[in-house]
Amino acid sequence: EAAVTQSPRNKVTVTGGNVTLSCRQTNSHNYMYWYRQDTGHGLRLIHYSYGAGNLQIGDVPDGYKATRTTQEDFFLLLELASPSQTSLYFCASSDKGANTEVFFGKGTRLTVV
Amino acid sequence: AQKVIQVWSTASRQEGEELTLDCSYETSQVLYHLFWYKHLLSGEMVFLIRQMSSSTAKERSGRYSVVFQKSLKSISLVISALQPDDSGKYFCALWEHGTNAYKVIFGKGTHLHVLP
Repeated sequence: EAAVTQSPRNKVTVTGGNVTLSCRQTNSHNYMYWYRQDTGHGLRLIHYSYGAGNLQIGDVPDGYKATRTTQEDFFLLLELASPSQTSLYFCASSDKGANTEVFFGKGTRLTVV
Repeated sequence: AQKVIQVWSTASRQEGEELTLDCSYETSQVLYHLFWYKHLLSGEMVFLIRQMSSSTAKERSGRYSVVFQKSLKSISLVISALQPDDSGKYFCALWEHGTNAYKVIFGKGTHLHVLP
């Protein structure tokens, strides 16, 4: 069973603050994704990567940066957090791309006050 | 425009009943896959079942099955013998072959409440 671990699970920050969300997967998957989930929107793709050092822009990238430092680790950076970025963030991974099962972490609930 | 539509935002059923969750989608691709995921109350998001556009088999996994009506661009998730642990949020998702092959498009989800 693939394991995707996110940290922290909960985070509160102030407007303008700097936040890093971390994700590690332990199944040597190539693809990793960052999604945000908001009521009324479902899951929306922020950034994704298909290997260490690779970064691709998703559908809602504004205000977010991401880095894939290793096969296992994918980080989401909010350098000037805004209240509109209050959301539930999911990291996910898959082996051969999104046409196969995607494994999700348990989510990080971020509140920007 | 939304590509994956889940009309019902919430649903409630009694334990032991059967439930059908509906999902419609839009695609011009011949090859695509449809998925159902469940967001558990504990926070986990788990894969339930996949339907490939090229398959005519009625996909089934335990108490989960799908009704795939390709010509209507509709896929329904059927959950039999509902249990309180089935409560959660269910997402329908679409993967399309071609330029969008890197991502899965999710619907807005349906909250299910199973009453004991």
